[in-house]
Amino acid sequence: GAGVSQSPRYKVAKRGQDVALRCDPISGHVSLFWYQQALGQGPEFLTYFQNEAQLDKSGLPSDRFFAERPEGSVSTLKIQRTQQEDSAVYLCASSLVQGVYNEQFFGPGTRLTVL
Amino acid sequence: SQKIEQNSEALNIQEGKTATLTCNYTNYSPAYLQWYRQDPGRGPVFLLLIRENEKEKRKERLKVTFDTTLKQSLFHITASQPADSATYLCALDIDGATNKLIFGTGTLLAVQP
Repeated sequence: GAGVSQSPRYKVAKRGQDVALRCDPISGHVSLFWYQQALGQGPEFLTYFQNEAQLDKSGLPSDRFFAERPEGSVSTLKIQRTQQEDSAVYLCASSLVQGVYNEQFFGPGTRLTVL
Repeated sequence: SQKIEQNSEALNIQEGKTATLTCNYTNYSPAYLQWYRQDPGRGPVFLLLIRENEKEKRKERLKVTFDTTLKQSLFHITASQPADSATYLCALDIDGATNKLIFGTGTLLAVQP
């Protein structure tokens, strides 16, 4: 079956541009997570959705970062006025239900490079 | 501060030997701990989950231990193969209501033929 997909796989942006990163989770998965992974580091939590509700956005680094999941399936992470420190791999993960011991299924990530 | 530490340097071992990776944490009381494998250019892939009341979990050539007193997990790969070469990440659940995970920095394992 299809796993988690993300697009684009690679994005190059000039400093100051806005970008939108898309995540298609596994069909039927309730929970959706966004992580940021810098080179040589582990993923860092950004935000979490249960269906369409954004329940935790404590990891978003600034108000330039915005995420949505309007219909409880596809999610978009938007970064406004990109800065060089935003360069990283952005990973999306989904899991079947929340509140129980569940593995997370990760997409391949979007590598964002801000020039 | 809250920290999850893994072997900071790459681990190089010979094929057939057992690889042991460590994960140490402070200031958390996780309900469970997970181990993931990550290959270059790919997202992490789930390997094993161990609950706080479990001391050991096995899956094929993989074994995980979890010592909540020491705040440490050990991840073992027995009879290692070159195909096991990857970065291994430990992750703690710090909010059982959401399954939000905090990841360690990862350990790069290289198995030499």
